[in-house]
Amino acid sequence: DAMVIQNPRYQVTQFGKPVTLSCSQTLNHNVMYWYQQKSSQAPKLLFHYYDKDFNNEADTPDNFQSRRPNTSFCFLDIRSPGLGDAAMYLCATSRALGGRNQPQHFGDGTRLSIL
Amino acid sequence: GNSVTQMEGPVTLSEEAFLTINCTYTATGYPSLFWYVQYPGEGLQLLLKATKADDKGSNKGFEATYRKETTSFHLEKGSVQVSDSAVYFCALSPSGSARQLTFGSGTQLTVLP
Repeated sequence: DAMVIQNPRYQVTQFGKPVTLSCSQTLNHNVMYWYQQKSSQAPKLLFHYYDKDFNNEADTPDNFQSRRPNTSFCFLDIRSPGLGDAAMYLCATSRALGGRNQPQHFGDGTRLSIL
Repeated sequence: GNSVTQMEGPVTLSEEAFLTINCTYTATGYPSLFWYVQYPGEGLQLLLKATKADDKGSNKGFEATYRKETTSFHLEKGSVQVSDSAVYFCALSPSGSARQLTFGSGTQLTVLP
């Protein structure tokens, strides 16, 4: 089945130690998103790629970076994780057609813990 | 700016009860409206959508009608099951070229046998 796959499902890192989360998709969607979701809250958009164009949300900390080497893969890099970055990170994809967005498809998320 | 206001949870129902989760929105133009469901430990799944006024989205017994006059998109199900226990998010995507989803705060639903 076509899908959005996030690896790993659970990630533990140390305070200040860089960590990378990965997302891949078989849907061939041109837009990929990264969200942060803290407990009992709605997902918060960090940034998204429209094809190769990177779009950062105004309030996303500089600590968060992203790479999209090709259509299928997108990475979230946290350069120096703090305790407040412990959360579920969700990747999503969609197809943008002529300005009208199609629904976003989500992966199962990576739960990040900071020691 | 755009915003989505959802009914506060948690909501606890008995199996086979009727469900309504209220959702209202603020947006310019004609946004698309969505309901997403999140089961424990999983990502969000699209439950249903509506892209224009008076559209009714439906899936798995759930329904929601896009009401432009009341800026609402309430989720309903006639008879809930234990397996419907999850968090439900109402969301909108603005018209035009914007790609962001604006989510409501989510409503936790627990269905008891």
